[in-house]
Amino acid sequence: EDQVTQSPEALRLQEGESSSLNCSYTVSGLRGLFWYRQDPGKGPEFLFTLYSAGEEKEKERLKATLTKKESFLHITAPKPEDSATYLCAVQQPIQGAQKLVFGQGTRLTINP
Amino acid sequence: DTGVSQDPRHKITKRGQNVTFRCDPISEHNRLYWYRQTLGQGPEFLTYFQNEAQLEKSRLLSDRFSAERPKGSFSTLEIQRTEQGDSAMYLCASSSLASARLTDTQYFGPGTRLTVL
Repeated sequence: EDQVTQSPEALRLQEGESSSLNCSYTVSGLRGLFWYRQDPGKGPEFLFTLYSAGEEKEKERLKATLTKKESFLHITAPKPEDSATYLCAVQQPIQGAQKLVFGQGTRLTINP
Repeated sequence: DTGVSQDPRHKITKRGQNVTFRCDPISEHNRLYWYRQTLGQGPEFLTYFQNEAQLEKSRLLSDRFSAERPKGSFSTLEIQRTEQGDSAMYLCASSSLASARLTDTQYFGPGTRLTVL
């Protein structure tokens, strides 16, 4: 059974204080690892897809990296508007497509 | 392209009532997914449509749940005889296959928050 575990569950940082979020996964053949951002009361917003170990993607203050067992979301010099829950997911094949298997998320709070 | 839309955004109902939610996917997307999310957890897969065909259903989808996508465009999710345990955010996502990677990116709607009293 594919599994995704995120840590920490919650992280509180000061504005400008860089850190990393962790996503550990066990899958039988990685087809893609996804990062989403979710604001309270809203649907997840797509950020990145990573396909193979060593791959990196960047967007503004965020950088996602991938190894064979983990992915990291690095946040550099965060701002209060980066506060959100960050979700990690892997794809699991179903008939004709793939479903997403999510971790429980990391709730990030950036204090001004 | 206005993204995935869902209606209603919030629904409060009494236990035992039936409710129906609607999802309008991104117009050119032929794949449509429903997920359920409870507080503090990530979304969990419920069911999947390719065009109008429902190809996959999770064990989470009890016989009180039914979903349709009649013309391969919008989809509805109905819950009959609601229970308090059905209270959750119901999310819809859509995608189209990126053939180069044999994978696809799912784009989510804003969700429907269901509260069963």
